Amino acid sequence: AQKITQTQPGMFVQEKEAVTLDCTYDTSDPSYGLFWYKQPSSGEMIFLIYQGSYDQQNATEGRYSLNFQKARKSANLVISASQLGDSAMYFCAMRAFTSGTYKYIFGTGTRLKVLA
Amino acid sequence: NAGVTQTPKFQVLKTGQSMTLQCAQDMNHNSMYWYRQDPGMGLRLIYYSASEGTTDKGEVPNGYNVSRLNKREFSLRLESAAPSQTSVYFCASSEQISSAFGWSTDTQYFGPGTRLTVL
Repeated sequence: AQKITQTQPGMFVQEKEAVTLDCTYDTSDPSYGLFWYKQPSSGEMIFLIYQGSYDQQNATEGRYSLNFQKARKSANLVISASQLGDSAMYFCAMRAFTSGTYKYIFGTGTRLKVLA
Repeated sequence: NAGVTQTPKFQVLKTGQSMTLQCAQDMNHNSMYWYRQDPGMGLRLIYYSASEGTTDKGEVPNGYNVSRLNKREFSLRLESAAPSQTSVYFCASSEQISSAFGWSTDTQYFGPGTRLTVL
């Protein structure tokens, strides 16, 4: 079964500190992709970072990095030097090929609050 | 380049009324999707269209219909709205890219969402 699990409903972090948001996944597809999206209070979904299952190196995009541990089936998002504007809901998602087509599955999200 | 656009942004319906949510993308993507977002449940796929002329059911298709009008547009219709369909609806589109390894990677880009309330 395809599944994404985010076990942290809410997180707090002090401004300028780093924070890790957890995500574990389960899939039988050997060629899958993992995504992180940010949803600020305004409601839009913003793509942050992507990791392919065959990628040898962890993905990085500016202050965002993805700690990909394939054997553990985890894809944690690390935000370095947190800013007040990072306060938002964060969703982990997986794209996997199943039943003849690609499907996307989203986790339930983690609400991050950055403290001044 | 507007990306993915959705109309309307807000809508209030009475039980039993019908309406169509519109979605358009200008990124020349092949695939388009409709999701609903409910508190504490993340996003759930309603319907998707892998390419122009094709549509398939997602996780929660009951009570909805879709039309892939052309490559740019993908609409979602509620024939007889119910209070359980109160939600935020997102449209998304994606492209597929073949890599040297032979597999494809695609990132979904989302519209701003439609907040629907059914009374």
